Parts: sequence; C-alpha cells; structure tokens
Amino acid sequence: EDQVTQSPEALRLQEGESSSLNCSYTVSGLRGLFWYRQDPGKGPEFLFTLYSAGEEKEKERLKATLTKKESFLHITAPKPEDSATYLCAVQVAGSARQLTFGSGTQLTVLP
Amino acid sequence: NAGVTQTPKFQVLKTGQSMTLQCAQDMNHNSMYWYRQDPGMGLRLIYYSASEGTTDKGEVPNGYNVSRLNKREFSLRLESAAPSQTSVYFCASSENLNTEAFFGQGTRLTVV
Repeated sequence: EDQVTQSPEALRLQEGESSSLNCSYTVSGLRGLFWYRQDPGKGPEFLFTLYSAGEEKEKERLKATLTKKESFLHITAPKPEDSATYLCAVQVAGSARQLTFGSGTQLTVLP
Repeated sequence: NAGVTQTPKFQVLKTGQSMTLQCAQDMNHNSMYWYRQDPGMGLRLIYYSASEGTTDKGEVPNGYNVSRLNKREFSLRLESAAPSQTSVYFCASSENLNTEAFFGQGTRLTVV
C-alpha cells in the first residue's frame, strides 16, 4: 500500500530560524512528488513538482529536494507570512490518476 | 483569474437530504477532481474526470456521484447525506492527469 508520512506534525519557528520539513514515502514506483501550501480555510496552493532523486526546486525562501525515499522542504529565514500547512503528495507510476497525500506539517513562524 | 470556483462555500444538511456541489474552472483544463479533507487523514480522492465525457472512482467513492457537465464544470452529488460525509470538499483541475492540480476554495459540509 502506498504511504506518505510527513513530519513533524507541527513546527513553531522564530522569524529567521531556518528549518526543514520531511515527507517520506513508500510507493511501488514514483512518478512525481508534489508540494502544496494550504492556508486556513483555503484550498491547497501548488508549490513544486519533483520527478527524480537528486532534483531540487526553489521558490523564494523555499527549496524542495528529493531522494529515493523522502523529500525535504527547506525553509530559509522564514517570515510570519510563511505560516501555513505544507502538504506533500505522491503520484505512483502506472497510476496516473491518483495523488496520495500526507497529513501535512503545520508551520507557525513567530515574529 | 478565477481559477477553480466552488459553490456553495458552506452547507448544513440533515441526514438523508441530497445536494449537489458545483465546480467550474476557467483554465481550459482537461482533468478535474473531487477530494475530501478530514482532520488527520489528508486529502482523499472521491472521483475524477480525466477528460470531458469520462469519470472514474477514486479512493472513497461510496455515497457520491459525479457529472462532468462539460469541459469547465464537474459536479459532486450526495444522494442521501450521512454524518460520515461531514467534511471539507475540494474541487481541483489540471491540464492532464500527470500535471499539478489547482484547487478551489473548498465547501465545508456538515451533516447533522
């Protein structure tokens, strides 16, 4: 069974305090790994797609990396506006239709 | 840019009532999806439509039906609502099944 586990469940950082969120996955074959950001009461907002081990993508203070077993979302010098729940999802090779989502990491950045 | 629009935003139903959640996208996407989000369980796929004229079951289809009305619109129907269907429902669309999905703002449904 395909599984996606995100850790930690919640993370509180001081403004400027860099950290990383983890998404570990167990799938039969990875087609792609997606990162989303979700603000309270809103729908998920797409951030990145990673397709192969060693791939990295960056957007402002966020950088996503991928290995064969996990992905990290690195947050450099976060600001309060980075506070949100970050979701990762995997798409399995040969099963193009379905994303399996993790439960998310709730990030709070304190001023 | 509206993106993906869902209606209504909030709804309270009594057990056994029926309702239809509406979704429309203006990005000319081929694929559309309905997810539900429950605390601690992540987003789970209910139904999806790979392209206009096709629909398929996702992970949790029981108790739901869908209609892909045209390329823009994809509706989700609850024929006889149950308290277990209390959830936040998200519609999403993507260029095709292999590309990133864009989500609507969600419908918070409570069944009492």
